[in-house]
Amino acid sequence: QVQLLESGPGLVKPSGTLSLTCTISGGSVGSSNWWSWVRQPPGKGLEWIGKIYHSGNTNYNPSLKSRATISIDKSKNSFSLTLSSVTAADTAVYFCARSYDFWTDYYPNWGQGTLVTVSS
Amino acid sequence: EIVLTQSPGTLSLSPGERATLSCRASQSVSSSYLAWYQQKAGQAPRLLIYGASSRATGIPDRFSASGSGTDFTLTISRLEPEDFAVYYCQQYGGSPRTFGQGTKVEIK
Repeated sequence: QVQLLESGPGLVKPSGTLSLTCTISGGSVGSSNWWSWVRQPPGKGLEWIGKIYHSGNTNYNPSLKSRATISIDKSKNSFSLTLSSVTAADTAVYFCARSYDFWTDYYPNWGQGTLVTVSS
Repeated sequence: EIVLTQSPGTLSLSPGERATLSCRASQSVSSSYLAWYQQKAGQAPRLLIYGASSRATGIPDRFSASGSGTDFTLTISRLEPEDFAVYYCQQYGGSPRTFGQGTKVEIK
């Protein structure tokens, strides 16, 4: 059973860069799955940020205006999210998730989520 | 971008009652690539339904779903106490992937 665990700073200053890592256990980042990030502002709904495949192919939500970058680290069996030029609007619980397979990215597997607050 | 609109925003029901949740897409969702999730406070979403109508592993058969094109429905036949939560639909047929804004099922 694959397990995902998000990690990273819980507090980021405005205009700074948010960096999170999702560590995979019970599975491989090299498997035939997309690896995604989804966020949820406090009290609000879910927003898809983007995804990466082990080949390095990525796809992002245009609403983030190119501020998001997702990368893979095969040596650490993990993938990461960086979000630049953050504002208070980026305060959210950030989840990592694994797609069912390459062709169908609904999400049977989720991390527990990590709260990131943007504040000075 | 495919916008998903869920209704109602809140559903107030009693245990044992039937819940019917709607998810309407701004354009047709290809291949019925629509999923439903349940989320409880402080937890990650839990996959209930994929492919518009297929139950995920371990999901009780009181959860059923249907629909195609732009109109989708999630039905909980008889609400159990653990079913009171927020439910989201998600489409994975278009880019970017999008979620509905959620329907809260609360105890009446």
